[in-house]
Amino acid sequence: EAGVAQSPRYKIIEKRQSVAFWCNPISGHATLYWYQQILGQGPKLLIQFQNNGVVDDSQLPKDRFSAERLKGVDSTLKIQPAKLEDSAVYLCASSLQEQYFGPGTRLTVT
Amino acid sequence: AQSVTQPDIHITVSEGASLELRCNYSYGATPYLFWYVQSPGQGLQLLLKYFSGDTLVQGIKGFEAEFKRSQSSFNLRKPSVHWSDAAEYFCAVGADNTDKLIFGTGTRLQVFP
Repeated sequence: EAGVAQSPRYKIIEKRQSVAFWCNPISGHATLYWYQQILGQGPKLLIQFQNNGVVDDSQLPKDRFSAERLKGVDSTLKIQPAKLEDSAVYLCASSLQEQYFGPGTRLTVT
Repeated sequence: AQSVTQPDIHITVSEGASLELRCNYSYGATPYLFWYVQSPGQGLQLLLKYFSGDTLVQGIKGFEAEFKRSQSSFNLRKPSVHWSDAAEYFCAVGADNTDKLIFGTGTRLQVFP
């Protein structure tokens, strides 16, 4: 069974630029999550989708972050414009019962 | 509010030694508890979970954890550590249900030969 796929694995941008991350969940998993993991901290949930609807986006900084889940499968997370404090690993996870995590995208904002 | 505390930021053990990683949680009801492991450049992998029933749960890679309600703890143990166990370990609580995970800050395990 293929795992959760994420791309790119690494991204370096300058502040005020925009960036997008892509996630392909495990086939058949209805629930998809995006987490932000800042160095030295545990992952923090940004947004949760059930199929293509948003279940929880209370921790998403909506002035600069946006996310969508196309046709209830793949998802993209966008940051526009990026700030220095957005430097982190962005993890995608999907679940039926347990959450399975992708390898993450390491974002560096300079 | 739910929270998870991992008091040890960094632990170093010798290969073959026993291991215990501490986790304390704050949650009003019976919690759903998890331990994940994260190797460098990798995503998180579930080691074990506790929902209910037997308070001693067995996981993958020879790990086990014990739920102690009186101490609000869910410590992870392994009787004999292997060099490949070097990684970051995260304890998490399922807030309200298993969907929303709240993670601790992690414990980095270093293993010396």
